[in-house]
Amino acid sequence: GDSVTQMEGPVTLSEEAFLTINCTYTATGYPSLFWYVQYPGEGLQLLLKATKADDKGSNKGFEATYRKETTSFHLEKGSVQVSDSAVYFCALSGDQAGTALIFGKGTTLSVSS
Amino acid sequence: GAVVSQHPSWVICKSGTSVKIECRSLDFQATTMFWYRQFPKQSLMLMATSNEGSKATYEQGVEKDKFLINHASLTLSTLTVTSAHPEDSSFYICSARLSSPYIFGPGTRLTVL
Repeated sequence: GDSVTQMEGPVTLSEEAFLTINCTYTATGYPSLFWYVQYPGEGLQLLLKATKADDKGSNKGFEATYRKETTSFHLEKGSVQVSDSAVYFCALSGDQAGTALIFGKGTTLSVSS
Repeated sequence: GAVVSQHPSWVICKSGTSVKIECRSLDFQATTMFWYRQFPKQSLMLMATSNEGSKATYEQGVEKDKFLINHASLTLSTLTVTSAHPEDSSFYICSARLSSPYIFGPGTRLTVL
């Protein structure tokens, strides 16, 4: 079945450092890809998405490109802030209507000043 | 914007009792809702897909007689944990799909003593 693999955390960075969180997927058909973020004590929030190959999703300085050839959707940010500390989940949804999101295990990011 | 609410946000119950968790879509109708379970520092595991007016579809390994799901209207799905035990303690999250993005509820923390 479909699955998502994320790099293991935690990731610890200093403020203004470059961030990469790797995500690869296995899926049949043409899935949509997502990054969700969960701040401490809060629910999941959509960070960005891409619905087809070569699409780039971006939001709040984060970006990720849908790479079909490498089945990847790596999350990047050029300069992280303390407020970016959270858990980041890569997810996919199948191309059939009514399908649920399948999540990776999540990567905890901790940014220190 | 579209919001999914959950009630209660946290609940503590005694072993052997049943607990009902409500998931509501606000300002939009959701023919399909999804129920997830999240263990501490782990990813979201899909439990079931709830379809309005029909039986829920459960993921492999999820006991449908223990986790009763009812989706009686286009804005409400309920998850009832029957005869709860301490191992059922977890964070339960519901989600509804509005076009492309999946909207997540804030979650319900269940603690079974």
